[in-house]
Amino acid sequence: QSALTQPPSVSGSPGQSVTISCTGTSSDVGSYNRVSWYQQSPGTAPKVIIYEVSNRPSGVPDRFSGSKSGNTASLTISGLQAEDEADYYCNSYTSDSTWVFGGGTKLTVL
Amino acid sequence: EVQLVESGGGLVQPGGSLRLSCAASGFTLRSYWMHWVRQAPGKGLVWVSQINKDATSTKYADSVKGRFTISRDNAKNTLYLQMNSLRAEDTAVYYCARDGHYAYNVWGQGTLVTVSS
Repeated sequence: QSALTQPPSVSGSPGQSVTISCTGTSSDVGSYNRVSWYQQSPGTAPKVIIYEVSNRPSGVPDRFSGSKSGNTASLTISGLQAEDEADYYCNSYTSDSTWVFGGGTKLTVL
Repeated sequence: EVQLVESGGGLVQPGGSLRLSCAASGFTLRSYWMHWVRQAPGKGLVWVSQINKDATSTKYADSVKGRFTISRDNAKNTLYLQMNSLRAEDTAVYYCARDGHYAYNVWGQGTLVTVSS
């Protein structure tokens, strides 16, 4: 149950796009489309922004998009806004029927 | 309003026990798989445990297996996490979360567990 690998931090200017990667193995990300992404602001509970690799819950702006290639999932945020500054976590189902999060990525909007 | 409210956190000595509760409202708990997720101070999210709709199947992270027990009382619309043999490294905010489309689509506000002498 090793954590998925995310970059510790990413940054971008308002209006730009950023992509956060989430690398797992053939036992988790690579084998299942059960990958989700969460946004967490300081002092608050996480909020799901992408489920099943690329689906957005209602109310989540279409600036947020998800994809997957092989063992790596990605979250892209286009048209960056100041309010997007937060921590982002990926999560995947695994072959032993458990779940694993990534280590988290801090997004800074410059 | 769909809501999850955790309770039962607090300060406990190493080796001690604690039971967390998660009260669901605005939806029928028996219709959903449920999870516990924790977050140590200043650290990332860690999945802890899951339970299926009728409590016939449970799963645990290796770090808590044999020490924690997840359960549910669908009649009371409540999820539980019994934590035994607590260690300093179990110190964290514990969140309960509802499963939807293989994601955690409803979260509680979290309850802080501190393991310290």
